[in-house]
Amino acid sequence: EPEVTQTPSHQVTQMGQEVILRCVPISNHLYFYWYRQILGQKVEFLVSFYNNEISEKSEIFDDQFSVERPDGSNFTLKIRSTKLEDSAMYFCASSEGPRFSGETQYFGPGTRLLVL
Amino acid sequence: AQKITQTQPGMFVQEKEAVTLDCTYDTSDPSYGLFWYKQPSSGEMIFLIYQGSYDQQNATEGRYSLNFQKARKSANLVISASQLGDSAMYFCAMREDTGRRALTFGSGTRLQVQP
Repeated sequence: EPEVTQTPSHQVTQMGQEVILRCVPISNHLYFYWYRQILGQKVEFLVSFYNNEISEKSEIFDDQFSVERPDGSNFTLKIRSTKLEDSAMYFCASSEGPRFSGETQYFGPGTRLLVL
Repeated sequence: AQKITQTQPGMFVQEKEAVTLDCTYDTSDPSYGLFWYKQPSSGEMIFLIYQGSYDQQNATEGRYSLNFQKARKSANLVISASQLGDSAMYFCAMREDTGRRALTFGSGTRLQVQP
């Protein structure tokens, strides 16, 4: 069964460093997403991406964050200058699109980011 | 105001019994979707079941069913014949069909299945 994959599974970085989290969405899916979950808290939406551009973003997704689809399979989230509060589990998800109702987002296994 | 409310931070159930996990939601959109996800201790988010606001029947997927009461704005997950492997966090989520695709999640319920 096709699935979303994410690399790395864990990343430790120093505050102020740039990190890139990578995702390979399900191959025939058109919509891609990033969510994050701070330890012990609810899952929060960051950004959605369609047709090579951001279609929606939350207030969390500020200028420190960017997303890119560098090739036909990868989808990346970059954090330019990490802060301690960026420590979280980051989930990539994808959905078929473009039909709306009932469209399910399938999540990857997550990347656990720890900023020291 | 919270869009998704899960009032049970933790639940216990005996193996082989049924359990209901509560979820209430708040939206003024007539069209929306409700989802349940399971998060085991390993951390991944696993899709379980979906209910559309216009669906006439309650959704079912194997041992999972969704008790959808639209007037009450509730979408409770029922797990029948609980298994030890059902021990996990369970999240209710909603997508409002206003052109947005973002899911809004509740705070989750931690279910522990006891032998």
